[in-house]
Amino acid sequence: AQSVTQLGSHVSVSEGALVLLRCNYSSSVPPYLFWYVQYPNQGLQLLLKYTTGATLVKGINGFEAEFKKSETSFHLTKPSAHMSDAAEYFCAVSDFTGNQFYFGTGTSLTVIP
Amino acid sequence: GAVVSQHPSRVICKSGTSVKIECRSLDFQATTMFWYRQFPKQSLMLMATSNEGSKATYEQGVEKDKFLINHASLTLSTLTVTSAHPEDSSFYICSARDLVASGGTIAKNIQYFGAGTRLSVL
Repeated sequence: AQSVTQLGSHVSVSEGALVLLRCNYSSSVPPYLFWYVQYPNQGLQLLLKYTTGATLVKGINGFEAEFKKSETSFHLTKPSAHMSDAAEYFCAVSDFTGNQFYFGTGTSLTVIP
Repeated sequence: GAVVSQHPSRVICKSGTSVKIECRSLDFQATTMFWYRQFPKQSLMLMATSNEGSKATYEQGVEKDKFLINHASLTLSTLTVTSAHPEDSSFYICSARDLVASGGTIAKNIQYFGAGTRLSVL
């Protein structure tokens, strides 16, 4: 089974600062990789995904992530944090069938004014 | 594209009653639907996987008689929490997957998530 590790259950950044949320996975086969955002009492919203092709993936709201196979990582970044970015972020991995989704434990992002 | 609608978004019920949650794929045919449960401040836990026209496959530790899943059509799956108790209170999220690329922006083998249902059992 695959596993997903999100380093840091809580991350705080100042408004305008760089956002970096870390995600590492364990898989011997290149997986599909996802980042989701969840606002309080809401469902998951897909930020971005990597399946094949270019390893730098751009998503919504100015977020992007880079798939680094050698590091088995898929870290999420945003150059400048906004207050509206405060939410819970989940990294997820699936195999190519989409049958199994493995979620990380989530990272709560706080943006300080 | 790839819209999954989940209804209701919030439900409050008395202990001992049953609650039905619907999950619909609005613009694609979902050959497989998934049901997850999320406890406060925790990640999503897969409860079961359902394929259209067949019985759901439940994850270990999930009571199939408590959580009834029906996937009668390619666009609709339902989760019924039977004889609900306060410990069943949770956030339930469904997702849907299309095995065949439908063109446009709907990618095959990707799970698309509903907005979730907050269940509170009094």
